[in-house]
Amino acid sequence: ETGVTQTPRHLVMGMTNKKSLKCEQHLGHNAMYWYKQSAKKPLELMFVYNFKEQTENNSVPSRFSPECPNSSHLFLHLHTLQPEDSALYLCASSRLGGGLYEQYFGPGTRLTVT
Amino acid sequence: AQSVTQPDIHITVSEGASLELRCNYSYGATPYLFWYVQSPGQGLQLLLKYFSGDTLVQGIKGFEAEFKRSQSSFNLRKPSVHWSDAAEYFCAVGAPMETSGSRLTFGEGTQLTVNP
Repeated sequence: ETGVTQTPRHLVMGMTNKKSLKCEQHLGHNAMYWYKQSAKKPLELMFVYNFKEQTENNSVPSRFSPECPNSSHLFLHLHTLQPEDSALYLCASSRLGGGLYEQYFGPGTRLTVT
Repeated sequence: AQSVTQPDIHITVSEGASLELRCNYSYGATPYLFWYVQSPGQGLQLLLKYFSGDTLVQGIKGFEAEFKRSQSSFNLRKPSVHWSDAAEYFCAVGAPMETSGSRLTFGEGTQLTVNP
């Protein structure tokens, strides 16, 4: 019971489709994150949002488009993906402040690009 | 730049045996250290964290970890493993970023198999 939910849990999409992943946190946090988890690779931080403002984009291809309408919701819009984009996409949230706070993760969306 | 190394990709232990998962980090200042666990098809769950103070940290599910600055290590231990502990374990080092939340760098993970 992490307090971070993600939908859908599984998604299969073709390379020409457009889809969106949704994340919602119920923890009162102000920072939200998107990670990509591929087999045999460490978690890759994709985007960071701080009070709805994007503060980090780790050279993510433009076919991934994040949106953060408020501190509780985070979306990842997908279009014209490639098969190598198949992975588990994890959303996380944390507090913000003068120190460092642990991140809480959602269950992830398993994405398969065909 | 910070980095984390988990030397063991896969560990197998018998149920009831003790467990130690290794983690070495590289970070220029006092590190913020974490252990997370991931069950199949699930997200990451925080087991424990070290920010400062006592170098032996207690976590959930009977896990503990010891921070050793001289060895740049933060190994995870459990005295008696249960079959339900089978999962993948990730060590992470964190850097506070006042305007950007917290940046965590994860190791590649250690897959734990528990034999009956």
